Amino acid sequence: GAGVSQSPSNKVTEKGKDVELRCDPISGHTALYWYRQRLGQGLEFLIYFQGNSAPDKSGLPSDRFSAERTGESVSTLTIQRTQQEDSAVYLCASSSRAHRDKPRETQYFGPGTRLLVL
Amino acid sequence: SQQGEEDPQALSIQEGENATMNCSYKTSINNLQWYRQNSGRGLVHLILIRSNEREKHSGRLRVTLDTSKKSSSLLITASRAADTASYFCATDSGGSNYKLTFGKGTLLTVNP
Repeated sequence: GAGVSQSPSNKVTEKGKDVELRCDPISGHTALYWYRQRLGQGLEFLIYFQGNSAPDKSGLPSDRFSAERTGESVSTLTIQRTQQEDSAVYLCASSSRAHRDKPRETQYFGPGTRLLVL
Repeated sequence: SQQGEEDPQALSIQEGENATMNCSYKTSINNLQWYRQNSGRGLVHLILIRSNEREKHSGRLRVTLDTSKKSSSLLITASRAADTASYFCATDSGGSNYKLTFGKGTLLTVNP
């Protein structure tokens, strides 16, 4: 079936502009995660959505970052007044389905959005 | 801060050789997962090992977990050029959100 999709694939913006990144999770997945990956680094957790529960925003680096999710579908990550240090790949993942070799905890990742702030 | 720390940071081997990557972590975990990433894009889940397991196999992959040492290893046997990628360990400390904490990864290069 279709995997996690993200758009745009690449985004170049000027410092100070707002950007919006989109994630379409796998259909039926109740959990959705956003991560940031700076060049040569591991992934940093940003925010987590689970169904209709309040999101876990503990990883958001500043109040310029926000995310929304409507029900169990699409999520958008918004970065306001972008800074050069925001340049990174932003990865979205979803999880829920469990089967023999891939238990519920497995997260399925999208291809990411590469953001460059000039 | 990164929970998992992989070593080595980079590993270069010849096709057919085995590749071993290690991961250490700091706090207690529910499970530990290994992911693969090609060209800085999306991650692919490889294998999950729970805290009460010591070893797990999947095809050419073998993962061990030593909770007393807070460490794990990923062994890829009979490596292929297509195994060239970055490999990350990720720990899940349990709870309801299954938040994963990733290490910085090991860049594996398999030379044909």
